[in-house]
Amino acid sequence: DQQVKQNSPSLSVQEGRISILNCDYTNSMFDYFLWYKKYPAEGPTFLISISSIKDKNEDGRFTVFLNKSAKHLSLHIVPSQPGDSAVYFCAASQKGSNYKLTFGKGTLLTVNP
Amino acid sequence: NAGVMQNPRHLVRRRGQEARLRCSPMKGHSHVYWYRQLPEEGLKFMVYLQKENIIDESGMPKERFSAEFPKEGPSILRIQQVVRGDSAAYFCASSLTLGSNEQFFGPGTRLTVL
Repeated sequence: DQQVKQNSPSLSVQEGRISILNCDYTNSMFDYFLWYKKYPAEGPTFLISISSIKDKNEDGRFTVFLNKSAKHLSLHIVPSQPGDSAVYFCAASQKGSNYKLTFGKGTLLTVNP
Repeated sequence: NAGVMQNPRHLVRRRGQEARLRCSPMKGHSHVYWYRQLPEEGLKFMVYLQKENIIDESGMPKERFSAEFPKEGPSILRIQQVVRGDSAAYFCASSLTLGSNEQFFGPGTRLTVL
């Protein structure tokens, strides 16, 4: 049972444009959400996170939006750069076991020069 | 400040052999987590350890898998009598604070079972 879903296996975007990566979840107990970025042959790197008490968190070019009623979050990257090309994982955790991250399958983002 | 280190990076085993995967957390981190990524899947939580203690092993298969984090030395994930289905990337993560959900990951060990 996939509790965190990333329905787009891949996304291709032109340099300078906006990249929007989507994530849906089914477990209403999740209260903290994270995005990780992963290059080949490396481990995931933490990018940005959001608590369920917020609906937006911004860090430089990266913004995460959370829609609790729709159980949906998205990561916006503006402007996209070729170095952003990587696999992006959405992850979630719940109170009481917040160390136990549940990951989606990832979306491969390709930013074309 | 070195990041999370894992070795070996690649490990090949024949069916029935044992696999030992090592993880050294970031300096100052005493909380270690192991995740497994099967092909075409996301990472799945296996176990959470502190020094000399297993805190949560709810994601560990019931048989053949064990983990430890001794007082001295790296954390070890041990898989006995490996089968083809154990082929995966195994990632270790560490955190500074208790049970933090912002974890720092190592580069992973890719296990191939022939």
